[in-house]
This record gives sequence, structure tokens and C-alpha cells, in this order.
Amino acid sequence: QSALTQPDSVSGSPGQSITISCTGTSSDVGGYNYVSWYQQYSGKAPKLMIYDVSNRPSGVSNRFSGSKSGNTASLTISGLQAEDEADYYCSSYRSNSALVFGGGTSLTVL
Amino acid sequence: EVQLVESGGGLIQPGGSLRLSCAASGFTVSSKFMSWVRQAPGKGLEWVSITSIAGTTYYADSVKGRFTINRDNSKNTLYLQMNSLRAEDTAVYYCARDVYESGGWDFDYWGQGTLVTVFS
Repeated sequence: QSALTQPDSVSGSPGQSITISCTGTSSDVGGYNYVSWYQQYSGKAPKLMIYDVSNRPSGVSNRFSGSKSGNTASLTISGLQAEDEADYYCSSYRSNSALVFGGGTSLTVL
Repeated sequence: EVQLVESGGGLIQPGGSLRLSCAASGFTVSSKFMSWVRQAPGKGLEWVSITSIAGTTYYADSVKGRFTINRDNSKNTLYLQMNSLRAEDTAVYYCARDVYESGGWDFDYWGQGTLVTVFS
């Protein structure tokens, strides 16, 4: 089960916006709206930031937004803050009743 | 308040078995899809298994035939029985609760994780 493709790292300055991409296939990202994004600090459990492509759980800042076009999903963080520096993972349901994660993206706030 | 607390990790030799537990509070495990996700040291997240409300189970190819997910509703606890362990199973294992009762395959609550180390 090959992983979804994410950039290894992205960076931005405070106040800027960044976008993290997550590319899959028509059997996962492109075929279903079960795409999620997780934030993970080192040594901590992941935290759900976006589910079902673009829904934000209660308590998650509206600076985080999700979208999808074809086989690629995206996470956008606007008004970048120092506390956003973390690893981000996308996930998607896959057609053979499985879940696949992206390899993760390390976000650096300059 | 929803909480998930894993236990049962430890050091084990290749070929050995281990059972992980995930004690839930603040909700009933029988009312949600529940999953196990693991993370090898310094690596990314890897989905392991999920169980539906009806008890239907699904597994990653890497653990199929070796791992079994199940739950004890009376104890409100999720389990992962791991047999024929390999070095590549070394990871922190998280249990996680699905957002939906019907299974959206996205997880809104996670435990703190339990470390499994397989070494000879």
C-alpha cells in the first residue's frame, strides 16, 4: 500500500500563507471525499485538523482550510504562526477498504 | 471528556506475540469505528487496522493474517492482538476514534501511544 505523496518540507514567515499538497490516485484521494489532515508535534499524538476534505473539527482555528482537485488534496494555513511549526500528514480512504497516509510534511515557520 | 489510554507495549523478540489495549472513557467503543495506527521511530504514520460498529474488520496488507483487532464492550476497551512479530513492526501504536458512527476513516481522538520494540 504505497503512501500518498506530500512534500518533505515547506516553510513560511509569520503572517504568510502556505499550502501543503497531497497527491494520490483515483482509487483514493480522487475517488472519495474521505481526506483528512493531521498535525503532529514531536513525541505527541496526531491531532485532526481537517476531515472530509474541508471540514474543520470544533476548536481548530479557521486559519486551517482544506480542498481537493482531482487526485490532489491541499491543506492551506493562513496567517502563519510560530505554533503552527509541526509535521502534517494527509490521509485518505482507499477503494480496497484501507486507509493510506501521506509521508508527512515538516512545516518550518521562519 | 473523551479519553483513550493505550497499554501493553514493550520489548519482544521476533516471532513473539503481544496484545495492546486501549481503554476508552467518555464514550462507548461499540458506538464508533475504532482504529489502530502506528508510527515507526522517526517515520510517518501507518494505518494498521479498523473495526466497524458491526464488528467488521479491515487490515493493512503488512499485518494481515498476523494482527487481530477486537473490542470488549463490557470493558469499553479496544485490543490489538499481534502475532508473529517482526522487527519492522517496531513502532508507537496509537488507538484512534472515528469521527462518524458510520465510519469516515478520519479520527478525532487519539491515545498517547504505546511503544512496541521487536528485537533479537
